[in-house]
Amino acid sequence: NAGVMQNPRHLVRRRGQEARLRCSPMKGHSHVYWYRQLPEEGLKFMVYLQKENIIDESGMPKERFSAEFPKEGPSILRIQQVVRGDSAAYFCASSPLIDTEAFFGQGTRLTVV
Amino acid sequence: DQQVKQNSPSLSVQEGRISILNCDYTNSMFDYFLWYKKYPAEGPTFLISISSIKDKNEDGRFTVFLNKSAKHLSLHIVPSQPGDSAVYFCAARGSNDYKLSFGAGTTVTVRA
Repeated sequence: NAGVMQNPRHLVRRRGQEARLRCSPMKGHSHVYWYRQLPEEGLKFMVYLQKENIIDESGMPKERFSAEFPKEGPSILRIQQVVRGDSAAYFCASSPLIDTEAFFGQGTRLTVV
Repeated sequence: DQQVKQNSPSLSVQEGRISILNCDYTNSMFDYFLWYKKYPAEGPTFLISISSIKDKNEDGRFTVFLNKSAKHLSLHIVPSQPGDSAVYFCAARGSNDYKLSFGAGTTVTVRA
């Protein structure tokens, strides 16, 4: 049973470009969470999705950030017009139920140059 | 607003000795606490958890202690092994909640 798969592992974007981060949850997991880790900080919750639904996006910046989890395919975190401050590690996690332990992917390290 | 705090950014311990990692929280609604271990370039992996109805949970070399009145928990690793060298994150959430609040992490280095 493969774990949570994130790709790409590393992503370099110039300021103003778009970044697309992908996450395939573990088999049987319908709950997906995105977290962001800025340098020297802990992980911060961004958004919680179930298939085709955004349940809670309270941790996601209102501008430029969006997330989806379509019926088919991976969850996507999209950052438009990236800025230097978006440079961080973005982790996706999934769980089979809402209140069970979440399993994390290896993360995507975004660098904005 | 940092609701989970790990005040020691790093810890160095000799192999075979005990590692003690501390964590404090401010939100009294938190009632489920977890420790994650993270190696460089990897995602956090779940290590051990404790519910607020308990004050201790043990799993092999790892024991977590919870002091609700002090809003404090600690992770004990004994004996420490070189493979334990990693960043350890304390995390917390409320019951029936899904959002984890993480501390900033403590980097543990186990010396041979």
